[in-house]
Amino acid sequence: QKEVEQNSGPLSVPEGAIASLNCTYSDRGSQSFFWYRQYSGKSPELIMSIYSNGDKEDGRFTAQLNKASQYVSLLIRDSQPSDSATYLCAVNMFNGDYKLSFGAGTTVTVRA
Amino acid sequence: ETGVTQTPRHLVMGMTNKKSLKCEQHLGHNAMYWYKQSAKKPLELMFVYNFKEQTENNSVPSRFSPECPNSSHLFLHLHTLQPEDSALYLCASSQGTGAGNTIYFGEGSWLTVV
Repeated sequence: QKEVEQNSGPLSVPEGAIASLNCTYSDRGSQSFFWYRQYSGKSPELIMSIYSNGDKEDGRFTAQLNKASQYVSLLIRDSQPSDSATYLCAVNMFNGDYKLSFGAGTTVTVRA
Repeated sequence: ETGVTQTPRHLVMGMTNKKSLKCEQHLGHNAMYWYKQSAKKPLELMFVYNFKEQTENNSVPSRFSPECPNSSHLFLHLHTLQPEDSALYLCASSQGTGAGNTIYFGEGSWLTVV
């Protein structure tokens, strides 16, 4: 079983729409969750972190966490062409020490 | 500018060569990491150093040899690599290695083994 799974892409959305990205994780004891954005040919950059159940909003981005369902999502409102990238879900899991495990990523394309 | 600088950005090496990747962080962090990113695969953690001591070696082949002389610098020494080792190698740092620590990545070093 993969530790962190993301919905397979690619995801294509029209400009101005909401892009919804999903992520599930296997370790029920995980405490911290991150979303990274990676443009083609570039390194991942952190866009959101979330630690508590519920929603966390930052500009056009909203992260949602449900620890009981072992589920974390990212919503991108009013999607822009500049949001076209691969989004990586990362979960800090404990296995003797904390280790950040990444999903394979979901590629988002925003159509102008 | 992420505060984590990697050199070289691109490297082409033969299977018999010896080369090194260098990473320097300017964030005052205590932990440093090497990750490998291959096409269509999740990021793979290779090594973790905390206060310049290695705390994780994720079953990495010995042809990859890390070195961490201090908390700000991290090297990855490469020798007798295979073509399948061609990938993006990412250095990262964080304040610590606890549950809530956020990892910040460098720009990466693109490695091609020919």
